[in-house]
Amino acid sequence: SSELTQDPAVSVALGQTVRITCQGDSLRSYYASWYQQKPGQAPVLVIYGKNNRPSGIPDRFSGSSSGNTASLTITGAQAEDEADYYCNSRDSSGNHHYVFGTGTKVTVL
Amino acid sequence: QVTLRESGPALVKPTQTLTLTCTFSGFSLSTSGMCVSWIRQPPGKALEWLARIDWDDDKYYSTSLKTRLTISKDTSKNQVVLTMTNMDPVDTATYYCARTLRDSSGYYLDYWGQGTLVTVSS
Repeated sequence: SSELTQDPAVSVALGQTVRITCQGDSLRSYYASWYQQKPGQAPVLVIYGKNNRPSGIPDRFSGSSSGNTASLTITGAQAEDEADYYCNSRDSSGNHHYVFGTGTKVTVL
Repeated sequence: QVTLRESGPALVKPTQTLTLTCTFSGFSLSTSGMCVSWIRQPPGKALEWLARIDWDDDKYYSTSLKTRLTISKDTSKNQVVLTMTNMDPVDTATYYCARTLRDSSGYYLDYWGQGTLVTVSS
């Protein structure tokens, strides 16, 4: 079972803002990275570190963290943002093992 | 540009050992901070982190699967190999390899292969 917990599904109206959360004890000490996965495709890195976007990722994607919760925010959601989103960070043992979150399905209405 | 490609059998029998190869280009696994990770995803389910090998040959495994996994690299061939023993139908999944970078903020998987579907069935 994953040590990083995400809401199974969220929905957002086109052009509105949605926040996807990831909870876990390890997040008090370590950053999460975030991945977008569309059906039949490999995941794509969208946020890493404190709040870094790889080249080509729109600036409507942003990351933040507080306590044991990391968040991915999509400001002005577009139809193409409909996908599954996964967080990833170290497990709670404090070593270099990593785990993925349970995943959140984002639906853009 | 960076590319990764997974290869291996599409079908394995229960109790057999699975061997997957990740062949990559566009980076060197001997460069400080470079790593390769393996991840899998059962049909319709979430991603699961399996293992990582770092540039300095440090190796890390999923806590729940560590007794069954072995990861190794051949830097000269630009390949990383993952073996998983005692395969079971629940191991049916798409297996991905991904370039993994380490910096001051931690590790992150910035390039992924397209994945290879492995089915475990007799």
